[in-house]
Amino acid sequence: DTAVSQTPKYLVTQMGNDKSIKCEQNLGHDTMYWYKQDSKKFLKIMFSYNNKELIINETVPNRFSPKSPDKAHLNLHINSLELGDSAVYFCASSQGKRPEAFFGQGTRLTVV
Amino acid sequence: LAKTTQPISMDSYEGQEVNITCSHNNIATNDYITWYQQFPSQGPRFIIQGYKTKVTNEVASLFIPADRKSSTLSLPRVSLSDTAVYYCLVGDMGSGGSQGNLIFGKGTKLSVKP
Repeated sequence: DTAVSQTPKYLVTQMGNDKSIKCEQNLGHDTMYWYKQDSKKFLKIMFSYNNKELIINETVPNRFSPKSPDKAHLNLHINSLELGDSAVYFCASSQGKRPEAFFGQGTRLTVV
Repeated sequence: LAKTTQPISMDSYEGQEVNITCSHNNIATNDYITWYQQFPSQGPRFIIQGYKTKVTNEVASLFIPADRKSSTLSLPRVSLSDTAVYYCLVGDMGSGGSQGNLIFGKGTKLSVKP
């Protein structure tokens, strides 16, 4: 069983569209994250979220919004997609004070 | 959060020991040092974490001097499959992941040649 799974793996869409990327973890972790990795391979944290608080990287446009229907899911909604949103998006999860975070396989988003 | 500095890239040959050093001059008392590995087209994978002195697991060793202003990830006898980007992270694990302490730097691209 995949520990952290993202869908879809690839997403091609037009500018201005609204899209969602789903993430599920079956590890029982209490914290989930979204990261963006751009063409230069820089990994930037976008959000971290547990059942207590949502921490938003202040550089993330408000067109991006995380939504967590339950503890095992953290979906990423993106409104009014722009060319610069093209990147690989990674979901991750961790538990409490444990150092390991587990990452999904990534979603390659291409905005045309 | 402490800023980290690593070499952009390193080259090695199969069978050699590789040491990647990370500088973190403003590391705080509560900060731990964590290393991740990322292969192309995959998400990062946890390798090792330490606070001080030396930590060893089945994959790597982590050396941390007394002043904790730097750390060295040591990969024994690398193989071609160790070609990846290695990230050094410094952050306070005491408050859990919700503090957003999984902040990645630019990483070191290790290329292992036959």
